[in-house]
Amino acid sequence: GQQLNQSPQSMFIQEGEDVSMNCTSSSIFNTWLWYKQDPGEGPVLLIALYKAGELTSNGRLTAQFGITRKDSFLNISASIPSDVGIYFCAGRLSGTYKYIFGTGTRLKVLA
Amino acid sequence: DTGVSQDPRHKITKRGQNVTFRCDPISEHNRLYWYRQTLGQGPEFLTYFQNEAQLEKSRLLSDRFSAERPKGSFSTLEIQRTEQGDSAMYLCASSGNNEQFFGPGTRLTVL
Repeated sequence: GQQLNQSPQSMFIQEGEDVSMNCTSSSIFNTWLWYKQDPGEGPVLLIALYKAGELTSNGRLTAQFGITRKDSFLNISASIPSDVGIYFCAGRLSGTYKYIFGTGTRLKVLA
Repeated sequence: DTGVSQDPRHKITKRGQNVTFRCDPISEHNRLYWYRQTLGQGPEFLTYFQNEAQLEKSRLLSDRFSAERPKGSFSTLEIQRTEQGDSAMYLCASSGNNEQFFGPGTRLTVL
């Protein structure tokens, strides 16, 4: 199935460091969603973005809807051990309520 | 209402058997989605409903797969004549606007 390009694929960082990841596509999206998934569980919604250029924060998380509407970015500041997990982006194409997910960024935080 | 629920959480079956999964969405949500997720991948779109109408189906949804949402509330996903390649996590999500909330998933193992 179709999936969005997400990078990096995985990250090992020290506790307290900031993290950046992004999602890119050749298609234009109307909505971007960012999720975190723990093993054996469903994804949990972190941030939703609805307009090009929009910058939205949720605690230590900040996400941006790219100006071209083909990409999105997620930043995590001052990482903590519970940030460990897999982060997914999801984009909604114009004219549909179908979402396409990214390939995921696996984050590991070293204490 | 505490969120999207799925039943069962785990299912082990023998190849060739039929299985059925249930999803109960957040009560006021009119859109319901089914996804499949294999190890190391993001969720892949299978189908979605708006109320009781099935509006879009992925080509991943072969003839052996069928989904229903008869009264616009809960939904079922049936897989007939299961194959080993059907082993995956089956995720349900619901949406009332543009945000999408996932259930915990049903882990299917086909022996």
